[in-house]
Amino acid sequence: QSVVTQPPSASGTPGQRVSISCFGDTSNVGRNYVYWYQQLPGTAPRILIQRNNQRPSGVPDRFSGSKSGTSASLAISGLRSEDEADYYCATWDDTLSNWVFGGGTRLTVL
Amino acid sequence: EVQLVESGGGLVKPGGSLRVSCAASGFTFSLYTMNWVRQAPGKGLEWLASISSGSSHIYYADSVRGRFTISRDSAKNSLYLQMNSLRTDDTAVYFCAREKDAIDVWGQGTMVTVSA
Repeated sequence: QSVVTQPPSASGTPGQRVSISCFGDTSNVGRNYVYWYQQLPGTAPRILIQRNNQRPSGVPDRFSGSKSGTSASLAISGLRSEDEADYYCATWDDTLSNWVFGGGTRLTVL
Repeated sequence: EVQLVESGGGLVKPGGSLRVSCAASGFTFSLYTMNWVRQAPGKGLEWLASISSGSSHIYYADSVRGRFTISRDSAKNSLYLQMNSLRTDDTAVYFCAREKDAIDVWGQGTMVTVSA
């Protein structure tokens, strides 16, 4: 079981705004940047958000990230069918001295 | 184009060994920390190991420490993961990934199946 937790599932209808949370503690989320990844079925993960809230080039502005204390969130606005995927948060853990991934959240577009 | 291509996966018996490789192109491999991350069938991502640009800093997840060894050859732009004492729960897709502040570029992965 990961030291960083996410809800296993989330859902929304097209056009809706959904939020996915990521909970850690003071040795990981509370102290380091949080990153978010999207993994479409059968493909490698793709980075969506870096340094808590920065979008790499090519990532639509429908995706946004935030962090407060020991929790972080990924928000997706204007939900589209192609957003149906698994989403993972990740951060460095200072106690473990390694990267930790959340367990992943499967987003379903209804 | 930045690209990472893994190879070397396959079927191995429990207790056996396997080495997977990752060929990097499109960027200056020697300047980047590199990582291995795996994903068991139907499961989430699990970070396994990282190696700094000059190989001076190496870290492992508890689940593989003492069994797996990460290494790199910057002359060949290649990253390796030597896996020994393999167990059935090591069955997964193994991804190599570049780290620049974040783990930002991933290969497509190579499947390793540990089964009798």
